[in-house]
Amino acid sequence: GDSVTQKQGQVTLSEDDFLFINCTYSTTTYPTLLWYVQYPGQGPQLLLKVTTANNKGISRGFEATYDKGTTSFHLQKASVQESDSAVYFCALVGNNNAPRFGAGTKLTVKP
Amino acid sequence: EAAVTQSPRNKVAVTGGKVTLSCNQTNNHNNMYWYRQDTGHGLRLIHYSYGAGSTEKGDIPDGYKASRPSQENFSLILELATPSQTSVYFCASGEIGQGNTEVFFGKGTRLTVV
Repeated sequence: GDSVTQKQGQVTLSEDDFLFINCTYSTTTYPTLLWYVQYPGQGPQLLLKVTTANNKGISRGFEATYDKGTTSFHLQKASVQESDSAVYFCALVGNNNAPRFGAGTKLTVKP
Repeated sequence: EAAVTQSPRNKVAVTGGKVTLSCNQTNNHNNMYWYRQDTGHGLRLIHYSYGAGSTEKGDIPDGYKASRPSQENFSLILELATPSQTSVYFCASGEIGQGNTEVFFGKGTRLTVV
């Protein structure tokens, strides 16, 4: 079945540092790849999506890309701020139209 | 943005008791989902639905049932709750398509089974 692997459990950066989070996926169909952000006490919120058609998504300074050759997708931001501290999840929509999520990356940005 | 409302927001249940978690969405999405969130596991798919009357097993369905009586409502049922089902449960609704995929989550239900 469809699966997603997100190995970076925690990332600690300073303000203005570069952020890069990587996920790998497995599916037998054309995927839609999603990035969610979750703040304490809240549900996940959709941040970005990438499809095989558009290859890239951009929102709020974040950029999402994917690499079909290595079946990986990435979230990056050139200059993080303290307010970006949160948990970031990658997700795959493949077969069955049911998103599968990675384990999450907790980002802490120090001022 | 789609509104997804979960109730209750917090629940304490006794081992062996029946628990029903409710979810309502107001954006007329066909698909609805139930996940549980535990530290180190992210969000794991329990059950999902393609529309009224439809329920499908996700990746961890054992010990859970689901019910989709209408387009708007999707319930998760624990017939015999166990302490291992202590978790935060999220409901989501969405539409899936190459160009217009959107999936929105509720605020979650914190369930403690004692």
